[in-house]
Amino acid sequence: AQSVTQLDSHVSVSEGTPVLLRCNYSSSYSPSLFWYVQHPNKGLQLLLKYTSAATLVKGINGFEAEFKKSETSFHLTKPSAHMSDAAEYFCVVSEERGSWGKLQFGAGTQVVVTP
Amino acid sequence: NAGVTQTPKFQVLKTGQSMTLQCAQDMNHNSMYWYRQDPGMGLRLIYYSASEGTTDKGEVPNGYNVSRLNKREFSLRLESAAPSQTSVYFCASSLGPSNQPQHFGDGTRLSIL
Repeated sequence: AQSVTQLDSHVSVSEGTPVLLRCNYSSSYSPSLFWYVQHPNKGLQLLLKYTSAATLVKGINGFEAEFKKSETSFHLTKPSAHMSDAAEYFCVVSEERGSWGKLQFGAGTQVVVTP
Repeated sequence: NAGVTQTPKFQVLKTGQSMTLQCAQDMNHNSMYWYRQDPGMGLRLIYYSASEGTTDKGEVPNGYNVSRLNKREFSLRLESAAPSQTSVYFCASSLGPSNQPQHFGDGTRLSIL
């Protein structure tokens, strides 16, 4: 069975400084991994996905994530935070087989960006 | 292109009342999902429909029923609402299996008094 742990429930950064959101996962098979962002009163929007093609994945709005199998991690980064990045971020894992349709969501990381 | 549309956006019910949440997608996706979101718990899958004509239970199906009306529409029904079902409900759709990204609606905020 798969599971996902987001290591920080809240992250506060200053505008223009780097953002790091940490995610560890466990999976019995080769996982697919996603990061989603949720702005207030909105649904979730896909930032990026990893499906074994490349370990460094680039997403929208300047975000990227690196898949590290040895560390079972999929951390999300952005070099320079913008005020519009204030939102909640979810790390999501799914297995290639055995759990069709059953994504496992992390508990979320709330990002606050200060001027 | 509307994507995934959920109605209503807000609803308040009394305990014991019934209600159906509607969801429609215009992306020609095969698979559709219903989630609930509660503070500090991420999203939990209630039911999903792999393709038109099929539905399956997710992680938290008790107290809910679903209908895949056609390829576009997937409804969620609460037969006898309980305060524990107060939550934000999200519908999502995807092309197919779980390694495909899911596209989400804006949610239905449901309060059960």
